[in-house]
Amino acid sequence: EVQLVQSGAEVKKPGESLKISCRASGYTFTPYWIGWVRQMPGKGLEWMGIIFPGDSDTRYSPSFQGQVTISADKSMSTAYLEWSSLKASDTAVYYCARVFDSSVQDDYWGQGTLVTVSS
Amino acid sequence: DIQMTQSPSSLSASVGDRVTITCQASQDITNYLNWYQQKPGKAPKLLIYDASTLQTGVPSRFSGSGSGTDFIFTISSLQPEDFATYYCQEFISLPPTFGQGTKVEIK
Repeated sequence: EVQLVQSGAEVKKPGESLKISCRASGYTFTPYWIGWVRQMPGKGLEWMGIIFPGDSDTRYSPSFQGQVTISADKSMSTAYLEWSSLKASDTAVYYCARVFDSSVQDDYWGQGTLVTVSS
Repeated sequence: DIQMTQSPSSLSASVGDRVTITCQASQDITNYLNWYQQKPGKAPKLLIYDASTLQTGVPSRFSGSGSGTDFIFTISSLQPEDFATYYCQEFISLPPTFGQGTKVEIK
């Protein structure tokens, strides 16, 4: 069974750094794009960026380029989302998701990680 | 970048009603379009892929159509469990892009 298990909720102050994780199991990690989706309170879904763990090719949505860093550890089958300096506007639920793949006709989602940034 | 314009942003409907949501892409995406359902506090759930193919286990009252730039999502007879927010998403580009969402509320 494919599972994406995310790290727990975080409460941080503005200016602090943060790295959240998404551990994949039940499938071979390397040949599928995996990424992060932001959902701000009461708002819609936004893809932030994705990574291909096989070669670490990383693509960012324009709104998030330079704002966050996405990485992956093949040995741990884990993807990461990192901020170097959080802002209050980063408060949101962050989902990791394996990008829809036509060969398997499915996608997979983590349970979401709530990040709260407040002074 | 591809923009996905979804409408309406919200609608009120009664159980048994037929509900239609539209999604327009800013460029030709052939049939690289998915539809998702999201309930509060939950991750999105894939309902339809490739614009018109029902995901396994999804009730047949859900359907999708369209190709190129214009797409339609329909719930033929709204059920109580269908009150949720629905999103289109193109997957021809990397990363993909969602529409703004349509919240389906009880009338």
